[in-house]
Amino acid sequence: EIVLTQSPGTLSLSPGERATLSCRASQSVSANYLAWYQQKPGQAPRLLIYGTSSRATDIPDRFSGRGAGTDFTLTINRLEPEDFVLYYCQLYGSSPLTFGGGTKVEIK
Amino acid sequence: QVHLQQTGAGLLKPSETLSLTCAVNGGSFRGFYSYWIRQPPGKGLEWLAEINHIGSTTYNSSFGSRVSVSLDTSKNQLSLRLSPVTAADTAIYYCAMSQSRGSYSPLRHWGQGTLVTVSS
Repeated sequence: EIVLTQSPGTLSLSPGERATLSCRASQSVSANYLAWYQQKPGQAPRLLIYGTSSRATDIPDRFSGRGAGTDFTLTINRLEPEDFVLYYCQLYGSSPLTFGGGTKVEIK
Repeated sequence: QVHLQQTGAGLLKPSETLSLTCAVNGGSFRGFYSYWIRQPPGKGLEWLAEINHIGSTTYNSSFGSRVSVSLDTSKNQLSLRLSPVTAADTAIYYCAMSQSRGSYSPLRHWGQGTLVTVSS
């Protein structure tokens, strides 16, 4: 079973800065099936990025994803106040669905 | 616009049965992948089960035979059953549906979540 490890656990930044979140797979995976989700307090996760780099509907272009093999990155440019929440990476190309442990982006 | 609406009991005693239902409005589960996922308080996301586009089920082996899911396409309802429950099953339970028909695709649609608390 593939394990996804997200780092850092917490990222402390200021509004307007750039956030770089990492997701590392325990073995090489297809970039076609790597997604990122955002979760605000008290809400269900929301799909941000799928297929490593495709933005979901209505997601602002300050969110971008890249990666291949075992290393994937979510970048958030020009952090807005509403971006300071939790982010999860996920593999969805087979069962079991696998989620990373999450990265919390907090205001410095 | 697709909207998933969850219903079910939120407070259970140990050894009871967790039963949740997820109804879809503005769309259909038919042909999509559907999932149940849970999140213990303050923790990450854990996949419980899926029903694929042809109705086959796959379960998280960590739950053994305690978990089962079903899909009633005539009512457009997805159901989850977990029995017997313990305090470790206290979590927010989410239903979710894939973005595209016919194959694995990202989880585009999510229910609002149901907090299930197991306590004597």
